[in-house]
Amino acid sequence: EIVMTQSPATLSVSPGERATLYCRASQRIGSNLAWYQQKPGQPPRLLIYAASTRATGISAKFSGSGSGTQFTLTISGLQSEDFAVYYCQQYSTWPPGTFGQGTKVEIK
Amino acid sequence: EVQLVESGGGLVQPGGSLRLSCAASGFTFSSYWMSWVRQAPGKGLEWMATIKQDGSEKYYVDSVKGRFTVSRDNAKNSLYVQMNSLRAEDTAVYYCARPIVVIAHGIYNWYFDLWGRGTLVTVSS
Repeated sequence: EIVMTQSPATLSVSPGERATLYCRASQRIGSNLAWYQQKPGQPPRLLIYAASTRATGISAKFSGSGSGTQFTLTISGLQSEDFAVYYCQQYSTWPPGTFGQGTKVEIK
Repeated sequence: EVQLVESGGGLVQPGGSLRLSCAASGFTFSSYWMSWVRQAPGKGLEWMATIKQDGSEKYYVDSVKGRFTVSRDNAKNSLYVQMNSLRAEDTAVYYCARPIVVIAHGIYNWYFDLWGRGTLVTVSS
């Protein structure tokens, strides 16, 4: 069974700085990876699919890269509304829709 | 407005049953696969079940197979999940979600482009 591992678990970043989040798959998944943002008390929001394609209405400050087993989400110019938990999710192998454990981006 | 609204959550005893509903609006419900995703308190996200547009195919995570049944009523733009033999570990917020389905390595897979706000299910005596 595929395992998605996100790092770090918590990332402390100052407003205006850039945050880099990592997601590693235990087996190759091509570019079949999505990223979500979840704020407290809210549902997840799709940010990125196909590893690097921004979803509709998502700011260009969010960018995704990677393929195979190593993926990155970069958030530039962090603002207060960007502090949240971010999840990666693979959609390549069974079981479907496997999520990582999340990275919390907090204010430094 | 495109939205999903869940209902039916609450407190239930271990071994009990509960039926969740999800009302869809703002898009052609019958054209989309639909899913349930859950999140235990303070934990990550877990895909739980997915149903095809006409209900002819259903997929479940192993931990709920045989206990939970997903269904839909396209005439009512509604998605359901019947949850039986509930356990403490089923305690979670249950989200209705719209999957974007892809075929990878010959099997269906998905990510989610639309989510409801969720409904909390608590299994406790």
